Amino acid sequence: EIVMTQSPATLSVSPGERATLSCRASQSVGSTLAWYQQKIGQAPRLLIYGASTRATGVPARFSGRGSGTEFTLTISSLQYEDFAVYYCQQYNDWPMYTFGQGTKLEI
Amino acid sequence: EVQLVESGGVVVQPGGSLRLSCAASGFTFNDYTMHWVRQVPGKGLERVSLITWDGGYTFYADSVKGRFTISRDNSKNSLYLQMNRLRSEDSALYFCVRERGRLVDHWGQGTPVIVSS
Repeated sequence: EIVMTQSPATLSVSPGERATLSCRASQSVGSTLAWYQQKIGQAPRLLIYGASTRATGVPARFSGRGSGTEFTLTISSLQYEDFAVYYCQQYNDWPMYTFGQGTKLEI
Repeated sequence: EVQLVESGGVVVQPGGSLRLSCAASGFTFNDYTMHWVRQVPGKGLERVSLITWDGGYTFYADSVKGRFTISRDNSKNSLYLQMNRLRSEDSALYFCVRERGRLVDHWGQGTPVIVSS
């Protein structure tokens, strides 16, 4: 099973600042990497797929990069509604897809 | 608009059984592989099971294999998860999820399952 490791576990930033979240895979997953945002009491929402493609309706301040084993999600100028937990997920090893443990983005 | 609405989550005793349902709308249900994913409050996400569009292939996480059964009724646009021999570690919020080309792209709001005596 491919293990996904996210860092940091918690990231404290201020509105308007830039945030960079990291995700590492235990083996190469190519570009089959997705990012999800989960707010308290809500279901996860797909943000990024294919490592760098924004899902429909996702603001341009969200960007994803990387391939192989190293990936990042960058939020260029944080808005209050961006404070949430972010999960990465590899879907290269289907059906054994796996999620990272999450990064909590807090003020 | 894609909608996935789960139901059936309750409090159940260890060793008991439960059937979760998911009502899908806003898309052609029988074109898609569907999944159940669970989340322990404050914890991460765990894939539980999936079923292909025609029910011809199913997959289970090792932690539920032999106890849970996934099924679907395309005539009713519905997905199910029969959960038997429940354990305390099965307590979680269960999400119904749609897959598009290996990508999990839409989630329901989840239904809570609490296994406790």
